[in-house]
Amino acid sequence: QVQLQESGPGLVKPSQTLSLTCTVSGGSISSGASYWSWIRQQPGKGLEWIGYIHHSGNTYYNTSLKSLVTISMDTSKNQFSLKLTSVTAADTAVYFCARLYGDSFDFWGQGTLVTVSS
Amino acid sequence: EIVLTQSPATLSLSPGERATLSCRASQSVSISLAWYQQKPGQAPRLLIYDASNRATGIPARFSGSGSGTDFTLTISSLETEDFAVYYCQQRTNWLTFGGGTKVEIK
Repeated sequence: QVQLQESGPGLVKPSQTLSLTCTVSGGSISSGASYWSWIRQQPGKGLEWIGYIHHSGNTYYNTSLKSLVTISMDTSKNQFSLKLTSVTAADTAVYFCARLYGDSFDFWGQGTLVTVSS
Repeated sequence: EIVLTQSPATLSLSPGERATLSCRASQSVSISLAWYQQKPGQAPRLLIYDASNRATGIPARFSGSGSGTDFTLTISSLETEDFAVYYCQQRTNWLTFGGGTKVEIK
């Protein structure tokens, strides 16, 4: 059973960089069929896909966030990470990491709330 | 970008009733459509993938149908634990989610 766990600061100041890490257990992020993903949910809103990374290193980002987002991975630690630059209050959200297998997300982390505030 | 429109926004039903949720895509996604259930304070849970396949451990009362642009999630007889928000998602053209349908107790 694959498990994912997000970690990182719960509070980020406006204009700074949001950094989160997702630790995967019960499976390898080097598995060829999986894409490792970030999704967020603003308070009271729906789900927004941010992007995902394949173990080959290929990344795919939501075009609305592309210039601000970087997703990377550390296979030695079985982790992948999200960096979102120049954050504003609109980036306040619960951030989920998830595994994309085929065309759907089959395993999710519990989510972590990140608040952007001075 | 493919836009997914879910309807209705809210569905008020009683336990034991049948729930029918709709997801319409702005262009064809073939069968590349998934459904998720989300309860307050929890991560979404995959219910249906590839339009009609139940994910592991999902009860048989959940079923999905459709192809192209029109999809339906049906809950044949609502249990109390089924009252939640449901999202559809496609990956044919980038990746998008619908806005959600809240199934609430009447």
